[in-house]
Amino acid sequence: GQQVMQIPQYQHVQEGEDFTTYCNSSTTLSNIQWYKQRPGGHPVFLIQLVKSGEVKKQKRLTFQFGEAKKNSSLHITATQTTDVGTYFCAGYGGGADGLTFGKGTHLIIQP
Amino acid sequence: EAQVTQNPRYLITVTGKKLTVTCSQNMNHEYMSWYRQDPGLGLRQIYYSMNVEVTDKGDVPEGYKVSRKEKRNFPLILESPSPNQTSLYFCASSLTGVGVSTEAFFGQGTRLTVV
Repeated sequence: GQQVMQIPQYQHVQEGEDFTTYCNSSTTLSNIQWYKQRPGGHPVFLIQLVKSGEVKKQKRLTFQFGEAKKNSSLHITATQTTDVGTYFCAGYGGGADGLTFGKGTHLIIQP
Repeated sequence: EAQVTQNPRYLITVTGKKLTVTCSQNMNHEYMSWYRQDPGLGLRQIYYSMNVEVTDKGDVPEGYKVSRKEKRNFPLILESPSPNQTSLYFCASSLTGVGVSTEAFFGQGTRLTVV
């Protein structure tokens, strides 16, 4: 079945530093979604990427979808304490089974 | 307000005592699914449902049952819970179907402990 690998598992940064998490699928995806889960909370949708090579920005967050539609990244510029949480990518292969989630990257920010 | 509601939020139970975790959504979504979240393993899909009376196994279905008698409700049933089912459970709904995928809305989660 489809597998989605996400690295790193943990990332410690100083406040103000940049952060990037990477996602790689074993199969070509129809689209990829990104979610954020705050400590003690539930996953919340951030964005969906559909087109090959697509780049989308949300303030300090930049999302990319690879040309082959098998990999994606989320980059945060100048992290803030409010960015703390776990970031998940979720790949959709086009079938009825829905999303396959990566294991997530825990972002820990040291003030 | 668009919402997925899970109950209970916290549950401690004993091995073998049947339990049900309820999930309800108010967005008229066809697609609903259950996930369990464990440290280092991320979100793993247990069961999903594409519509009323249509359910299928996800990646980790052993020990679980589901039903979809109404569009808005998708309960998760543990007939005989065991300690390895201690986990954080999330219900989610979306408009996802074959060839279509949209934003998934998650419930607040149910933290289950089986002793």
